[in-house]
Order: sequence, then structure tokens, then C-alpha cells
Amino acid sequence: GAGVSQTPSNKVTEKGKYVELRCDPISGHTALYWYRQSLGQGPEFLIYFQGTGAADDSGLPNDRFFAVRPEGSVSTLKIQRTERGDSAVYLCASSPLQSSNEQYFGPGTRLTVT
Amino acid sequence: KQEVTQIPAALSVPEGENLVLNCSFTDSAIYNLQWFRQDPGKGLTSLLLIQSSQREQTSGRLNASLDKSSGRSTLYIAASQPGDSATYLCAVRREGRGSTLGRLYFGRGTQLTVWP
Repeated sequence: GAGVSQTPSNKVTEKGKYVELRCDPISGHTALYWYRQSLGQGPEFLIYFQGTGAADDSGLPNDRFFAVRPEGSVSTLKIQRTERGDSAVYLCASSPLQSSNEQYFGPGTRLTVT
Repeated sequence: KQEVTQIPAALSVPEGENLVLNCSFTDSAIYNLQWFRQDPGKGLTSLLLIQSSQREQTSGRLNASLDKSSGRSTLYIAASQPGDSATYLCAVRREGRGSTLGRLYFGRGTQLTVWP
């Protein structure tokens, strides 16, 4: 596809469970970003990859959150021991280079922790 | 820390009106500013991007201006239509060097409703 894709589109899980959220960036984009958007709020930065490495993970709220991008393309955001406060829409974006102008966003994954 | 504020939080207007949405940011050391549109339950669609050296950008009925020194941007929508109904988000990227350049700082958005 031409755009950023995210799977699943919706995820409902029980408190304490482990979840994985996937992002497929636009082909050839070296930079990949994860954001989290709570209801009524703007997106908040979580982590940024340049290639395979996390260039900035200072937005991750705690050590239950982890993200990987092993081959410099697809990325997975992993959340351990989920809490109800983790419920939000998780957005992924990609851009051609770190200093590139625009970030292109995917449709998001809506995570609900019951 | 960069803080981005958008006013108004919500706006409801009849079709055909010209609109101004406001965005302000606390740290004027920005690399660029981007306006997005978000439809309910959807991701973000980029509308306009203004580099820090630019004053404005135009796309169709949309015009965005930037006053970097005062920390403000406006999005002007001409001849509004019901299809313009969405949440409009403003985001800035810092200037400078280092890995933290990548992140965007977002406002909470302006929820726009245009009724026929």
C-alpha cells in the first residue's frame, strides 16, 4: 500500500495482559515514530527510530513500554502488564529522513484495557 | 518544554463562512510547523507544512501563516463546507541538533463543525 498501515485497528485486552501493536511504514522511509493519543488530547510522542535504532525513546512512559524495529522497516510497540490508563489510540508515523519535512501518519490502533 | 495551545477548542459555523483557527507555541526555536486534519476514528492527514523561514503556505481554500518570533500560527479556511468538519491539529518540530529533533509537539486541536 501507499500509506502507513497499522494492525490491529482495534485491540481489547484485560488488565495485566501483554499486547503488541504493529506499524508498517511507507516503503523507503527511514524514520518511524510512535505517538499516543488519549481522548480529547493531541498526540504525545513515545519513541522515534532512525533505521533500526531508537534515536529517542524519552517519551515512553515507563519500562512496561518497549518498541523494536529489527530490520529498519516494520516496527512493533510492546506493552507489558497493561493498565486501564494505557487505553488510547496509538499512532505510527514515518518520514523519509530525520530532517525531512513531513511525517505521514497511519490510521492508528485503538487499545482498550478492561 | 514546548507547549502548544490551540484556540478555540471547538467551533460551530454555518456553511460558507471564512474561519480562523489559532495555534500558539511557547518556544520559538522551531524547525517547522504542521497543520493536520483528523476525522473521527481516523489517523492524521497533513494539510500544510510551513518551514521556520516561511511566512505562509496555501493549498486550495486553506492558508496557514506563521509568526515564529511571536510563537503563533493561524489556519484560515475560506468558504467553509460541511466536509471540512473535523478536528484540526497544530504541531511543531524543534530546531537545533540532536536526536530529539524528530518528535512533533501537538496542541489539543480545534473541533470544527460546519453545518449546511
